[in-house]
Amino acid sequence: DAGVIQSPRHEVTEMGQEVTLRCKPISGHNSLFWYRQTMMRGLELLIYFNNNVPIDDSGMPEDRFSAKMPNASFSTLKIQPSEPRDSAVYFCASSFEGAGETQYFGPGTRLLVL
Amino acid sequence: GENVEQHPSTLSVQEGDSAVIKCTYSDSASNYFPWYKQELGKRPQLIIDIRSNVGEKKDQRIAVTLNKTAKHFSLHITETQPEDSAVYFCAASWPGDYKLSFGAGTTVTVRA
Repeated sequence: DAGVIQSPRHEVTEMGQEVTLRCKPISGHNSLFWYRQTMMRGLELLIYFNNNVPIDDSGMPEDRFSAKMPNASFSTLKIQPSEPRDSAVYFCASSFEGAGETQYFGPGTRLLVL
Repeated sequence: GENVEQHPSTLSVQEGDSAVIKCTYSDSASNYFPWYKQELGKRPQLIIDIRSNVGEKKDQRIAVTLNKTAKHFSLHITETQPEDSAVYFCAASWPGDYKLSFGAGTTVTVRA
């Protein structure tokens, strides 16, 4: 079984550029979560979807961040414009049903904004 | 929302000894408590979880205990081995809430 798939695995970009991170959840899972991990702030939940609908985006840092889930098998997290403080590892995770269910993490995208 | 506190932040143990990590949560309605292990440069992976209707769960060298009255749960690793060195995260969620509230993590180092 394929797990959660994320692309790219590494991204280096310059400040001001647009960054798009992609995620394919495990087939059959209907909840999808975007996390950001840094040494300073730990693991932060940015936004999550249930049945392709955004349920809680209170963790999104600011308007530069946006996320979409156009269908059950694909989601994107976009940063525009990117800033050096956005440098982090971004994880996507998925689960079945969502509440009280195991979340499976993707391998993450390591983002460096110069 | 749920607030999860995790202690200690770092833990160094001699190989073969036991390691214990403790987490407390704020919302008494929370009913699902997973533990994740994250090796350096890797993704967090579930190692064990417990639900509020169970007081203890074991899986080989790993065990989790839950005290609902005190609102805390703990991870116990026995006979530690070098491959147990990692960052461990506890988390909690409550009925109807899809998200997990994570603790800050514990860096465990097993000395050979």
